[in-house]
Amino acid sequence: QVHLVQSGHEVKNPGASVRVSCKASGYNFNAYDITWVRQAPGQGLEWVGWINVYSGNTNYAQKFQGRVTMTTDKSTSTANMELRSLRSDETAVYYCARTWVGVAFDYHYMDVWGEGTTVIVSS
Amino acid sequence: DIHLTQSPPSLSASIGDRVTITCQASQDITTYLNWYQHQPGRAPKLLVYHSSALDTGVSSRFSGSGSGSLFTFTISSLQAEDVAMYYCQTFDNLVVTFGQGTRLDLK
Repeated sequence: QVHLVQSGHEVKNPGASVRVSCKASGYNFNAYDITWVRQAPGQGLEWVGWINVYSGNTNYAQKFQGRVTMTTDKSTSTANMELRSLRSDETAVYYCARTWVGVAFDYHYMDVWGEGTTVIVSS
Repeated sequence: DIHLTQSPPSLSASIGDRVTITCQASQDITTYLNWYQHQPGRAPKLLVYHSSALDTGVSSRFSGSGSGSLFTFTISSLQAEDVAMYYCQTFDNLVVTFGQGTRLDLK
């Protein structure tokens, strides 16, 4: 069975960094991309960015560029997302998702999701 | 960037009702439109991809249609477990975009 298991909840001070991990199992980790999405309380789903596991190429939403880094560790089938300079309004649940991306970058959809990691940013 | 507008923002329906949600794209996205269900405390779930393809194991009471800039998601006979937020999503110029969501609850 395909699973994505995320790291545990985090509480951070404003200005700090957080690293969320996402361990994949049940499929060829190299064959799919990983997308990160977040949901703040009372808000909708917001795309953070995605990483091509095979090449390591990344693409981040413009609002996070310069503050986010996505990486993978193929030896452990784990994807990681680090978000720096956290603000209090970035309290959210962060999700990783296995992603299908078209060869021509014409489509992108997420078919398996992790359970989410709650990140609370508060002083 | 493409903008997706879902309507209605919320709706209430009864068990057994046919429910329809629309998603309007700000430009032509051919059929590259996906639908997700998100229930509180759970991970989002892919229901429909490429406008009308049902993901594996998804109930046949869910369906999607449309092309170009107007898309429809339908639940043919509402069940209690369908109470959730529903989001459309697309991808263009390396940017992932979600609609603002539609909240569906029971009347």
